[in-house]
Amino acid sequence: GDSVTQMEGPVTLSEEACLTINCTYTATGYPSLFWYVQYPGEGLQLLLKATKADDKGSNKGFEATYRKETTSFHLEKGSVQVSDSAVYFCALRGSGGSNYKLTFGKGTLLTVNP
Amino acid sequence: IAGITQAPTSQILAAGRRMTLRCTQDMRHNAMYWYRQDLGLGLRLIHYSNTAGTTGKGEVPDGYSVSRANTDDFPLTLASAVPSQTSVYFCASSEGTSGSYHEQFFGPGTRLTVL
Repeated sequence: GDSVTQMEGPVTLSEEACLTINCTYTATGYPSLFWYVQYPGEGLQLLLKATKADDKGSNKGFEATYRKETTSFHLEKGSVQVSDSAVYFCALRGSGGSNYKLTFGKGTLLTVNP
Repeated sequence: IAGITQAPTSQILAAGRRMTLRCTQDMRHNAMYWYRQDLGLGLRLIHYSNTAGTTGKGEVPDGYSVSRANTDDFPLTLASAVPSQTSVYFCASSEGTSGSYHEQFFGPGTRLTVL
């Protein structure tokens, strides 16, 4: 079945540091890939998406590129802010019969210190 | 403000009691979902509904039931709660399930503790 593996947290960075959160997936066909963010005490919000190979999703300074050859969708940001402190989830939506369903990674807690 | 509302925000429940978590969306989305979020496990799908009148089982359906009498509401019922159902529950919705992409929008969650 489909699965998502993302780097274990927590990740603690200083403001303006570079961020990379690794995400790899296993799926048949051509899934769509997502990063969701969950701020403290809130539900999940879509951060960015990519629906086909080599697509780059971007939003709020975050980027991720859909790499089919390495089955990866790593999240990157060049300069993090305190307000980026949150839990980040990588997710995929299958292209076959299970395309109603999002499969999530376990989440990575990011803390950015001033 | 358009979106998804969930109730209650939090609840402490004795084991063996029945509990219904409520979820309402006003976006006229066809599809709705229930997830549970547990530390170290991410989000796991409990049940889903592609459209009003239909429901399906997700990854962890045991001990839970759902109904979808209309487009807007998708309640989740625990018939006889057990401590392992202590979790944060998120309701979500999307325009549909077919096609290349439909963003899922999430509610604020219900924190449930079963003692």
